[in-house]
Amino acid sequence: GAGVSQSPSNKVTEKGKDVELRCDPISGHTALYWYRQRLGQGLEFLIYFQGNSAPDKSGLPSDRFSAERTGESVSTLTIQRTQQEDSAVYLCASSPPWGLYRVFGQGTRLTVV
Amino acid sequence: DAKTTQPNSMESNEEEPVHLPCNHSTISGTDYIHWYRQLPSQGPEYVIHGLTSNVNNRMASLAIAEDRKSSTLILHRATLRDAAVYYCILEARGDAGNMLTFGGGTRLMVKP
Repeated sequence: GAGVSQSPSNKVTEKGKDVELRCDPISGHTALYWYRQRLGQGLEFLIYFQGNSAPDKSGLPSDRFSAERTGESVSTLTIQRTQQEDSAVYLCASSPPWGLYRVFGQGTRLTVV
Repeated sequence: DAKTTQPNSMESNEEEPVHLPCNHSTISGTDYIHWYRQLPSQGPEYVIHGLTSNVNNRMASLAIAEDRKSSTLILHRATLRDAAVYYCILEARGDAGNMLTFGGGTRLMVKP
């Protein structure tokens, strides 16, 4: 597609449930990033995939968070046993092999009630 | 990580130039200076980046100080659609982390 696509755009879930967020990067972009943005704040890095290398998971806030990516395509971010503090916009971005800029999706707004 | 410092907010009048400052006194020789902006309810959007020389593109200009410890994003004629949060970020090319962590940014308000 022309841009980075994220789904769903909005998700409301009950505390304790698991959620899966999806990101479709731009075709040919080897790098993929997940970020979290709480209301009124900057972006918080979560995880980074580059090609077939092992992902950089250093930003994941707890073991309830995990992410997978199949090759250089779709990625899913999974949050298990959601808590109210997980409420935020989750943003995905991808960048081409030559790097230096990222294209962001519109984000998934997660609300845990 | 090298840090950047930006004013929390700025105001501009429509159709006037806007200069958004960023201080990065601990920048290293391999750090590129990136600017992104985030419009309300949207994901961040790439604006411009540079290393040492000033850069121009269709969206903006980037003026980089000779010592590279500060830079200025220049919007030549602000429009109402330029109202956004502008983020100044440093990233080293070849950095395996490539995290591009965003701070608080500058909220630009444009008055008609």
